[in-house]
Amino acid sequence: AQKVTQAQTEISVVEKEDVTLDCVYETRDTTYYLFWYKQPPSGELVFLIRRNSFDEQNEISGRYSWNFQKSTSSFNFTITASQVVDSAVYFCALSALPSGTYKYIFGTGTRLKVLA
Amino acid sequence: DVKVTQSSRYLVKRTGEKVFLECVQDMDHENMFWYRQDPGLGLRLIYFSYDVKMKEKGDIPEGYSVSREKKERFSLILESASTNQTSMYLCASNPPGPFTSGYTFGSGTRLTVV
Repeated sequence: AQKVTQAQTEISVVEKEDVTLDCVYETRDTTYYLFWYKQPPSGELVFLIRRNSFDEQNEISGRYSWNFQKSTSSFNFTITASQVVDSAVYFCALSALPSGTYKYIFGTGTRLKVLA
Repeated sequence: DVKVTQSSRYLVKRTGEKVFLECVQDMDHENMFWYRQDPGLGLRLIYFSYDVKMKEKGDIPEGYSVSREKKERFSLILESASTNQTSMYLCASNPPGPFTSGYTFGSGTRLTVV
């Protein structure tokens, strides 16, 4: 069975603080992809990053960085120097090939509140 | 700019009504999906489609059906709306090939059944 766990339901930080959103996944497949999406108050989910199971390099994009560790089945997301505009719900998702479909399994989301 | 458009942002329907939620994408994507989003439950897949006239059940298909008569349009149908179907409904699409890119989502339809 495939599963994505985002244990943090809600996080509040003060602007300019760093914050890490945790994502732990479960799959028996050797080929899979992991994703992060942002859902601002407007409601539309925005794609942030995709990482495949063969690439454990960490990635940095501006204030965002992602740490993928297969040994702990985690794909954590860090926002450096958070800003009020980062306030949103963030979802981690998993998609694996052998299921024969392209559907994603989503976590329950983490609501991030950045206070001015 | 590529888009997935959901016809209604907010809907209020009565119990027992037949409800149609429409989704249109302009990216020529083969794959389309319907999810519902509920607090504490994340996004759960209702139905998806790989091609015109093709459909597959997701994790929670009960009480729903879908229609895909044209490639760009994927409709979700609530045959007889019930209050437990009050939720945010999200449509998404992605191109052929399993992992070419992430989903593109619509803005969502917040459905209230009274």
